[in-house]
Amino acid sequence: AQSVTQPDIHITVSEGASLELRCNYSYGATPYLFWYVQSPGQGLQLLLKYFSGDTLVQGIKGFEAEFKRSQSSFNLRKPSVHWSDAAEYFCAVGAQDGNQFYFGTGTSLTVIP
Amino acid sequence: DAGVIQSPRHEVTEMGQEVTLRCKPISGHNSLFWYRQTMMRGLELLIYFNNNVPIDDSGMPEDRFSAKMPNASFSTLKIQPSEPRDSAVYFCASNHRTGIYNEQFFGPGTRLTVL
Repeated sequence: AQSVTQPDIHITVSEGASLELRCNYSYGATPYLFWYVQSPGQGLQLLLKYFSGDTLVQGIKGFEAEFKRSQSSFNLRKPSVHWSDAAEYFCAVGAQDGNQFYFGTGTSLTVIP
Repeated sequence: DAGVIQSPRHEVTEMGQEVTLRCKPISGHNSLFWYRQTMMRGLELLIYFNNNVPIDDSGMPEDRFSAKMPNASFSTLKIQPSEPRDSAVYFCASNHRTGIYNEQFFGPGTRLTVL
């Protein structure tokens, strides 16, 4: 069965520090992978996506993610976190038929001065 | 493009009342998804439509929940009768199924409070 695991429920980092949010997926075929961000009181916004090709993908707001098939992972990274990055981050895997998405439970990011 | 539009943004109602949430997908998108988000259960897919046809409603929690998509530009999610445990944020999302890039575009959500 398809699933997405985000092991870290909550992460706190200092502003300017680097960030890595973990995501592991279970999917029978080549996955379509996504990271979404949800700011308080807002809907979900797409940060980046992976379909094929280069396993390191760049997204908006300075985020990047690396697809590692051998580890079934798609971790999100940012070299220097800004206070405005405080939000909830969701990893998702999309079925190739374009229908269902499977979301992780999310990781809440707090940024301290 | 205006993006996915949801209304109302906030709804407060009393237990037992009927609640109707509305969604207008992005023009040209042929798939529409309804999600519910709570602290306890995270983001749950309730139902999705392709070309206005319900494909999978296995996520609909109970018979009190129903969803319709009478045309390509409008969908409703109805709860009748509502209960306090239905309090959540309900998101609508849309995408274009036949395209390889099947990212979903989310609306701003409707925050429902059932007293």
